[in-house]
Amino acid sequence: DVKVTQSSRYLVKRTGEKVFLECVQDMDHENMFWYRQDPGLGLRLIYFSYDVKMKEKGDIPEGYSVSREKKERFSLILESASTNQTSMYLCASRPTGAVSPDNEQYFGPGTRLTVT
Amino acid sequence: DAKTTQPNSMESNEEEPVHLPCNHSTISGTDYIHWYRQLPSQGPEYVIHGLTSNVNNRMASLAIAEDRKSSTLILHRATLRDAAVYYCIRSYGGSQGNLIFGKGTKLSVKP
Repeated sequence: DVKVTQSSRYLVKRTGEKVFLECVQDMDHENMFWYRQDPGLGLRLIYFSYDVKMKEKGDIPEGYSVSREKKERFSLILESASTNQTSMYLCASRPTGAVSPDNEQYFGPGTRLTVT
Repeated sequence: DAKTTQPNSMESNEEEPVHLPCNHSTISGTDYIHWYRQLPSQGPEYVIHGLTSNVNNRMASLAIAEDRKSSTLILHRATLRDAAVYYCIRSYGGSQGNLIFGKGTKLSVKP
């Protein structure tokens, strides 16, 4: 059974803290993604990576960075957490190639981050 | 910009068919239509996809208009477990094309 796991389901951090959200997939997928989900705004793409050590900005990269040192692991970093980064964070992975019928995207369960 | 339009919410009765519409009037010839759904407290999951022809799988059917400007996800017999947010997504071409999620349709199923 394919699986994308995220390090925490719930996380509470203080303003200004450095926050690491970890995502691991066991499907040997090349592509990995970080989204955030907010009420009324749907899922928005923060960053994605199509290979180890490669990263691309999504629609809302400001305030975030990412790291992909190993194929199976993609980390989202909040350098200095702020209250407007309180959100649900979703990680996903997908095989390489164009978004096509064979390239279903798999999501993790999400991390609900609260910044106080 | 998701470039698809869906109703914000729909209601259905259990055991009845559900037709979830999606408008994608600016779709290009190589864009696929994907449907994902998100159950409460879970990440989205794949439902079905298509290009031009109608498609069926164990979860649902996808009916694509002849001009491809709209499509309909069909759940043949809704169950309470089908209550979720359903996302209709165009996939953009290219080797690194990404799925752009809109706000989706929140489906409620009444017993």
